[in-house]
Amino acid sequence: NAGVTQTPKFQVLKTGQSMTLQCAQDMNHEYMSWYRQDPGMGLRLIHYSVGAGITDQGEVPNGYNVSRSTTEDFPLRLLSAAPSQTSVYFCASSYGPGKETQYFGPGTRLLVL
Amino acid sequence: GESVGLHLPTLSVQEGDNSIINCAYSNSASDYFIWYKQESGKGPQFIIDIRSNMDKRQGQRVTVLLNKTVKHLSLQIAATQPGDSAVYFCAENKDTGFQKLVFGTGTRLLVSP
Repeated sequence: NAGVTQTPKFQVLKTGQSMTLQCAQDMNHEYMSWYRQDPGMGLRLIHYSVGAGITDQGEVPNGYNVSRSTTEDFPLRLLSAAPSQTSVYFCASSYGPGKETQYFGPGTRLLVL
Repeated sequence: GESVGLHLPTLSVQEGDNSIINCAYSNSASDYFIWYKQESGKGPQFIIDIRSNMDKRQGQRVTVLLNKTVKHLSLQIAATQPGDSAVYFCAENKDTGFQKLVFGTGTRLLVSP
């Protein structure tokens, strides 16, 4: 299994541009989530999904959209990038109730100029 | 607001020593706790978890202790090795449904030979 994969690894955007961060998992996990990590801070939850077709907001959802059309994929969309969205983004997945351990991808480093 | 915090931002130890990383949590309703290890440029890696109905759990070279009375969590690493050098995060689950993890800011463990 490849586990949780994320693309791209690095991205530079200009303010106002949009982009999609890709996340995929091949472990048949029900739950998927997106976090951002800023320097000197822990991870903060952006959005999450408990199954295909179901998404919900986390702690810091503003400026981001998600969708979950398949079990495997959970893309994160930045609608109009802002410098405050400069961060490292991590996708994670877990089996679901009773097996909550989250497995993280390698991250996407995003710089918004 | 409720948060998970850490007592020490950096811990320096000698190779072969035992390491203890501490974490305080504030939500007495949290029932699941996890320790993650994050190496530079990588995603968090699951180390060990513990549920609130336990006060101790052991893994390979690692032990997690939970003191619900004082809302304190610790990670003990036996015979610390240079490969253990990383940032360690504790996280708590604040939600009974999806695992809405709340992460601490992290402790950097530096192991010198």
